[in-house]
Amino acid sequence: QSMLTQPPSVSAAPGQKVTISCSGSPSNIGNFYVSWYQQLPGTAPKLLIYDNDKRPSGISDRFSASKSGSSATLAITGLQTGDEAEYYCGTWDTSLNGGVFGGGTKLTVL
Amino acid sequence: QLQLQESAPGLVKTSETLSLTCTVSGGFINTRSYFWGWIRQTPGKGLEWIGNVHFSGNTYYNPSLRSRVTLSMDTSKNQFFLNLRSVTASDTATYYCARRTSEPSFDSWGQGALVTVSS
Repeated sequence: QSMLTQPPSVSAAPGQKVTISCSGSPSNIGNFYVSWYQQLPGTAPKLLIYDNDKRPSGISDRFSASKSGSSATLAITGLQTGDEAEYYCGTWDTSLNGGVFGGGTKLTVL
Repeated sequence: QLQLQESAPGLVKTSETLSLTCTVSGGFINTRSYFWGWIRQTPGKGLEWIGNVHFSGNTYYNPSLRSRVTLSMDTSKNQFFLNLRSVTASDTATYYCARRTSEPSFDSWGQGALVTVSS
């Protein structure tokens, strides 16, 4: 059972927008920056978003994120078949004194 | 371009110690700015943070693994290490090493090493 809750799956058609939620608590999301990771099939996770809403160099501006209270949201616009992947949120937790990840959300582009 | 590469035995016997090495190139691990971490992913499951190590000697461990885990570094070889003792089948996973920023996020990852625990 992850400390961060994500929907197991989301889907949308090419060109559409999808959002993925990540729900936590004051001991994690409520007090720390959130990051998001994209894991394409058979590959390692890749940092997509850091500091709640910042994109590393080379990440498309189709990916955006926000945080409010103890929850965070990743948005992907202009969906492409290449976006099909597992998406994870992550942050730090004071009660664990360690890193925590969401259970992951599988994105299907129909 | 920072690169991380895990090396692992592939197969470990039940109750023995799993030892992994992460070799870093394109940057140095003896930097105050970053921690160096291990994350694992069991087949078909999500990510589990194992722990972080800093060249100052500071370490952080997942409480669920703390009694069995030791992280360490060799700055002369630009490598850091994971030892997981008394392994069981539930420790079968792909193990990733990664660089952790202060924010924190994991901004660079190794390709992963699949380790199977079997008797």
